[in-house]
Amino acid sequence: AQKVTQAQTEISVVEKEDVTLDCVYETRDTTYYLFWYKQPPSGELVFLIRRNSFDEQNEISGRYSWNFQKSTSSFNFTITASQVVDSAVYFCALTIQSGGSYIPTFGRGTSLIVHP
Amino acid sequence: DGGITQSPKYLFRKEGQNVTLSCEQNLNHDAMYWYRQDPGQGLRLIYYSQIVNDFQKGDIAEGYSVSREKKESFPLTVTSAQKNPTAFYLCASSMRGPHTEAFFGQGTRLTVV
Repeated sequence: AQKVTQAQTEISVVEKEDVTLDCVYETRDTTYYLFWYKQPPSGELVFLIRRNSFDEQNEISGRYSWNFQKSTSSFNFTITASQVVDSAVYFCALTIQSGGSYIPTFGRGTSLIVHP
Repeated sequence: DGGITQSPKYLFRKEGQNVTLSCEQNLNHDAMYWYRQDPGQGLRLIYYSQIVNDFQKGDIAEGYSVSREKKESFPLTVTSAQKNPTAFYLCASSMRGPHTEAFFGQGTRLTVV
């Protein structure tokens, strides 16, 4: 069975601080996909990034960066110079190749509060 | 615009009543999902469907029912058998395959009064 753990329930920072959201996953499959989603106060989850298990290259997109490490089964998300608009709940998710169902398994989410 | 539409945004139900939440998508996605979100619980899967006229129970299906008669529609009925129905409900859809991201609706907040 798959599992995604987001140990940080809530993080509070002041604007312009850097913040890292942790995601640890468990799966026995060798082919899998990891995702991050953002849920702003409006409620709708928005896709941020996808990474497959064969691509450990880190990615940077503006103030966002992602660090994927298979050795520690982690897919952490860093926001540099945080802004108030970054305040949201962030979810990490995992899907696997085998079985045919492709159902994403979500972590419990990390609530990020950025204070001005 | 392409996307997923959930309605209504807010719903109030009396105890003992069934209520149906609507979810429509025009993304031509095969797969559709219903999740329940409670504070501190993350997203829990209620039902999912990967093709028309077929659906499967998720982790917390008891007290819920669904249908998938059309590709674009996946309504969720919260029955009186659901013991604690007050929650935020999210519908999502995706193309088939593990590499595809899910697209979400804006959710329906159900309150039992």
